Amino acid sequence: EVQLLESGGGLVQPGGSLRLSCAASGFTFSNYAMNWVRQAPGKGLEWVSATTGSGDDTYYADSVEGRLTISRDNSKNTLYLQMNSLRGEDTAVYYCAILGTSSPWGQGTLVTVSS
Amino acid sequence: QSALTQPPSASGSPGQSVTISCTGTSSDVGGYNYVSWYQQHPGKAPKLMIYEVSKRPSGVPDRFSGSKSGNTASLTVSGLQAEDEADYYCSSYAGRIFYVFGTGTKVTVL
Repeated sequence: EVQLLESGGGLVQPGGSLRLSCAASGFTFSNYAMNWVRQAPGKGLEWVSATTGSGDDTYYADSVEGRLTISRDNSKNTLYLQMNSLRGEDTAVYYCAILGTSSPWGQGTLVTVSS
Repeated sequence: QSALTQPPSASGSPGQSVTISCTGTSSDVGGYNYVSWYQQHPGKAPKLMIYEVSKRPSGVPDRFSGSKSGNTASLTVSGLQAEDEADYYCSSYAGRIFYVFGTGTKVTVL
């Protein structure tokens, strides 16, 4: 059974940094591209970033390019999102997901950017 | 990347059917058979209801069905039940490794 468990969210001041983690289990992690998707309070879903199975290639939404960095450790079956220079508009629940497949999502982790 | 277009709301009485559209372009919905649909209840994580246009994950009732024609995908919920009241989002592969989501539709069971 595929399971994704996000962690690392919390309250951070504008301009601050945070690192999110996503622990994966139930599948061969290195075989799948992984994504981060976020949802701001009362808003819709927004694709944020993705990385290939090897981690060699990474992609970002224009809204986060240069501030967020996706990475993965296939030996630990874990996906990361390093978030720097955080802004109020980054406040959201962040989900890791295998998109385009039958896999379920995790429960997400809440990031609040506020002074 | 532009969001896929969904109607803001849809409604139906118990037992009726409701269909939600998801309109994109030939670069996303029309170009690939990787359209997914998610159901989200307030305060909960999105739940996958349909993937690859029309496939249902294990455990999803067959009242939920998906289809696609050209640049528009659709989700139909037949035999509406009270628990179907939720927000619904579509998603499509958009090439390379990119995905795009729809604007979301709130379904109300009257």
